[in-house]
Amino acid sequence: QLQLQESGPGLVKPSETLSLTCTVSGGSISSSSYYWVWIRQPPGKGLEWIGNIYYSGSTYYTPSLKSRVTISVDTSQNQFSLKLSSVTASDTAVYYCARTLYSSAWSGFDPWGQGTLVTVSS
Amino acid sequence: QSALTQPPSASGSPGQSVTISCTGTSSDVGGYNYVSWYQQHPGKAPKLMIYDVYRRPSGVPDRFSGSKSGNTASLTVSGLQAEDEADYYCSSYAGSDNLVFGGGTKLTVL
Repeated sequence: QLQLQESGPGLVKPSETLSLTCTVSGGSISSSSYYWVWIRQPPGKGLEWIGNIYYSGSTYYTPSLKSRVTISVDTSQNQFSLKLSSVTASDTAVYYCARTLYSSAWSGFDPWGQGTLVTVSS
Repeated sequence: QSALTQPPSASGSPGQSVTISCTGTSSDVGGYNYVSWYQQHPGKAPKLMIYDVYRRPSGVPDRFSGSKSGNTASLTVSGLQAEDEADYYCSSYAGSDNLVFGGGTKLTVL
């Protein structure tokens, strides 16, 4: 059974770069034609799609974050990562990683990781 | 402000049916069949309930169904059960390599 697990610092200072990693177990990140996804959810608020990456490295990003976001994949470690630069308090959120249900980048997301809370504060 | 509009709340009694709407535009919901619905219990990760407007992933009860008419997608939960009480989010492909979510609907089982 495929499982995803987010990891990274829980506290980031304003203006610095948020870095998270999603480790995939129970399957290879490059074995099938899926997209790997980052989504976030500010405390008490709704979901926001951040971006997708294919195992080959092609990416899609939400327009509002595009200038600050980089998603990358490391097939040797079976991981993909998120970097968000110049963070502010409004970037405080639970960050989730997920996989697309099938080969389209826009299909539903399943499964999801458990999520990790990142707080931006000095 | 979310790109897709959902009612903040919905409710129904056990055994009843409830429908949650998700209104967008011809550039997102109305233009593509990439509408998904997610269920989220407090403190938990979202769970995919419906994808591609009306398809159910394996393991999702057939009490959950999805549909679309014009720029509005809908999630119907039939035979409401206590465990259906949760937040529900819709999402849609919005063209130009972008995906948007709705603001979420809190479903209460009375």
